[in-house]
Amino acid sequence: AQKVTQAQTEISVVEKEDVTLDCVYETRDTTYYLFWYKQPPSGELVFLIRRNSFDEQNEISGRYSWNFQKSTSSFNFTITASQVVDSAVYFCALSEYSGGGADGLTFGKGTHLIIQP
Amino acid sequence: KAGVTQTPRYLIKTRGQQVTLSCSPISGHRSVSWYQQTPGQGLQFLFEYFSETQRNKGNFPGRFSGRQFSNSRSEMNVSTLELGDSALYLCASSLGTSLPDTQYFGPGTRLTVL
Repeated sequence: AQKVTQAQTEISVVEKEDVTLDCVYETRDTTYYLFWYKQPPSGELVFLIRRNSFDEQNEISGRYSWNFQKSTSSFNFTITASQVVDSAVYFCALSEYSGGGADGLTFGKGTHLIIQP
Repeated sequence: KAGVTQTPRYLIKTRGQQVTLSCSPISGHRSVSWYQQTPGQGLQFLFEYFSETQRNKGNFPGRFSGRQFSNSRSEMNVSTLELGDSALYLCASSLGTSLPDTQYFGPGTRLTVL
């Protein structure tokens, strides 16, 4: 069965620090997709990135970067020069490809990121 | 393009009642998925609808059901409400290809069962 573990329940840093959110996943499939979502206090999940299991290239988008390592089953997320607006709960999620549509996202428990001014 | 919309945003019900939640997907999206979010269990997948058919289902009791209309709008119904059904119910839409597309979420419906 698929599983996503976000071991960091809460992280608090001071503004402008860099912060890395860890995500470790388990799956028996060779084809799967990984996602990161952000949930601000308003409650709506905001999509950040989608990555398939065959694409191990790291990705950078502005202050955000993602490190995908199949060897350690990890898909970590780094925010560089954090800002107060980055404060939110961040979820890592996994979806296996069964050939008949997505099986639904399996989410980690989330990491509550607090950026202090 | 308008995002995913959900109505109502808040609901208060009592045990034993039933409730219907509504979700309108992003224009052009044909798949709608539903998730339940609680402090204890986190985010859990309920089911996915595509072309008016339930295509995938999570591990929830039969009290949770849904349907999808020809315009891709979806409704979720919970019958015989229990206290434990209090949660944020999130709807997500995606293109609906056979691959795990990106799912875009609505603001959610917060259900409180008294």
